Amino acid sequence: IAGITQAPTSQILAAGRRMTLRCTQDMRHNAMYWYRQDLGLGLRLIHYSNTAGTTGKGEVPDGYSVSRANTDDFPLTLASAVPSQTSVYFCASGTGGNQPQHFGDGTRLSIL
Amino acid sequence: SQQGEEDPQALSIQEGENATMNCSYKTSINNLQWYRQNSGRGLVHLILIRSNEREKHSGRLRVTLDTSKKSSSLLITASRAADTASYFCATDENTDKLIFGTGTRLQVFP
Repeated sequence: IAGITQAPTSQILAAGRRMTLRCTQDMRHNAMYWYRQDLGLGLRLIHYSNTAGTTGKGEVPDGYSVSRANTDDFPLTLASAVPSQTSVYFCASGTGGNQPQHFGDGTRLSIL
Repeated sequence: SQQGEEDPQALSIQEGENATMNCSYKTSINNLQWYRQNSGRGLVHLILIRSNEREKHSGRLRVTLDTSKKSSSLLITASRAADTASYFCATDENTDKLIFGTGTRLQVFP
């Protein structure tokens, strides 16, 4: 089934640990995005990539890094997790610009 | 920055009734989109309306856009229990990014 796959689906992590959230799409979309969803705050853009080899910062990029080595994969790394990064993380892809985005089912991350 | 703001925050109705959700935004836009999110799942795109359009239909969904008031509404007619979800609007602020609102939680009782 075409779409976006995120892994893991959930994770409990000790503060200070490094964590990489994985995201893979099979729709050959140029653009990919990482959002975090927190109660009462909606979705906030962390980082994005308009095409393979390029990345950009969103609204809340601090403490996160991304890479886009190829079209399909867009991992998000927390170098040293902090409790305020407890959230649900969604990866999305699209044809770019302000066009509709397709979302994965999220990774629920708890930092203790 | 929060662009779209949905109203109401929560809505409970009976099956068969219509559900109306509103979205207000602050700056000019190229398009406005509505998404649905079922509990524990990712967002699913429902409909896109361009700034030069006033109304758009898709099945039981009707979206209106009033750029003079910077507002949009999503109407779900003849609602079903399966429509229970959170609904989000997203705007582009004339950029190549989407900014999502905080959503309306819709509960449809059988």
